[in-house]
Amino acid sequence: EVQLVESGGGLVQPGRSLRLSCAASGFIFDDYAMHWVRQAPGKGLEWVSGISWNSGYIGYADSVKGRFTISRDNAKNSLYLQMNSLRPEDTALYYCARPKAPYYYYCMDVWGKGTTVTVSS
Amino acid sequence: QSALTQPPSASGSPGQSVTISCTGTSSDVGGYKYVSWHQHHPGKAPKLMIYEVSKRPSGVPDRFSGSKSGNTASLTVSGLQAEDEADYYCSSYAGSNNYVFGTGTKVTVL
Repeated sequence: EVQLVESGGGLVQPGRSLRLSCAASGFIFDDYAMHWVRQAPGKGLEWVSGISWNSGYIGYADSVKGRFTISRDNAKNSLYLQMNSLRPEDTALYYCARPKAPYYYYCMDVWGKGTTVTVSS
Repeated sequence: QSALTQPPSASGSPGQSVTISCTGTSSDVGGYKYVSWHQHHPGKAPKLMIYEVSKRPSGVPDRFSGSKSGNTASLTVSGLQAEDEADYYCSSYAGSNNYVFGTGTKVTVL
């Protein structure tokens, strides 16, 4: 079964850091680009960051550029999001998502259940 | 990277059709074929309903269809059913490894 499981969320003070993880199983992780998408309370979906299968190309939303870093460890079938200088507006449910096809950056087809990040003093 | 514009809400009676628009720019919706639509029920993971403007993943009913004209994409749900009540989001590749989602539309089945 194809599965994505996020972890690492929690309550953190403004200005601090947090690292999210996404464990992938049921498919050849090395062959797929991956994305992070978030949903703030009462708000819509917001794309956060994406990374190609070989980490060769990476993108960030303007709202997180310079503060968040996406990475992956294909040997561990894992995706990460290092979040620094966190702000209250980063409070959200963070999903990791996989595109529909191998070597494809587009069309997020498989989603995890998400991990909640709360930034508050 | 501005969010794509969707109407906040749409509604229809069972059996009717509803169409949701998604307006972007030539740098996203108008510039690429990589427009998708997701259905999102609260508390659940989003579900891909349409990809590459008009393609349906296996398992998605043919009541769901997508199209695009210029900088505006559309999702039509025909033969509305109670289980179609959800939030719907469009998304588009926006170049330079970036992506953008729409503002979301809450579909209500009356």
